[in-house]
Amino acid sequence: NAGVTQTPKFQVLKTGQSMTLQCAQDMNHNSMYWYRQDPGMGLRLIYYSASEGTTDKGEVPNGYNVSRLNKREFSLRLESAAPSQTSVYFCASSILFPGLADQETQYFGPGTRLLVL
Amino acid sequence: AQKVTQAQTEISVVEKEDVTLDCVYETRDTTYYLFWYKQPPSGELVFLIRRNSFDEQNEISGRYSWNFQKSTSSFNFTITASQVVDSAVYFCALNPMDSNYQLIWGAGTKLIIKP
Repeated sequence: NAGVTQTPKFQVLKTGQSMTLQCAQDMNHNSMYWYRQDPGMGLRLIYYSASEGTTDKGEVPNGYNVSRLNKREFSLRLESAAPSQTSVYFCASSILFPGLADQETQYFGPGTRLLVL
Repeated sequence: AQKVTQAQTEISVVEKEDVTLDCVYETRDTTYYLFWYKQPPSGELVFLIRRNSFDEQNEISGRYSWNFQKSTSSFNFTITASQVVDSAVYFCALNPMDSNYQLIWGAGTKLIIKP
């Protein structure tokens, strides 16, 4: 049981390049999230997917797109990277099922460090 | 407004001291969840505890304890007999039931435990 996995762990991009960050969870969770964390700050939600087939914008969606490929996988795409997107990106998942002990608890992947030059 | 305030930006104590991390929240909802997460220097985010707004019982887990008081909208976290391995950034977060699944995060408190 790997929990939440993210690839790659680290990436360097040039301004204008594109890339996709991959996230997968094996906990049978229905909801998945993408966050960014900038130095000395908390987490800011980029996009989330409450269930397979749905995605919604979070606090800072500009410059990003997402795809909920299936129940397990949720990818984040940067179409044209900018230096302002240099950050650590975290994927998380949670289950939304009333009565479960860990309902709505978000479990996080190890993060992807992205540097845009 | 829905908000989480962690007023202590950084705390430094000597090993074996007790330390309390403060968390004050604001929400208009009567039903919500509160969380604490730990982010050690290695960078991962580790879930520590979830508390339902209807459950005001304090929680103890080893050297960790949490004090939830709805009257003061606080959910404070105490580490007893701190250890160097407790050094990390600790985040408090709020999940109001009408938040569309979005967690509202505090800015975090950096805890430094000196040997």
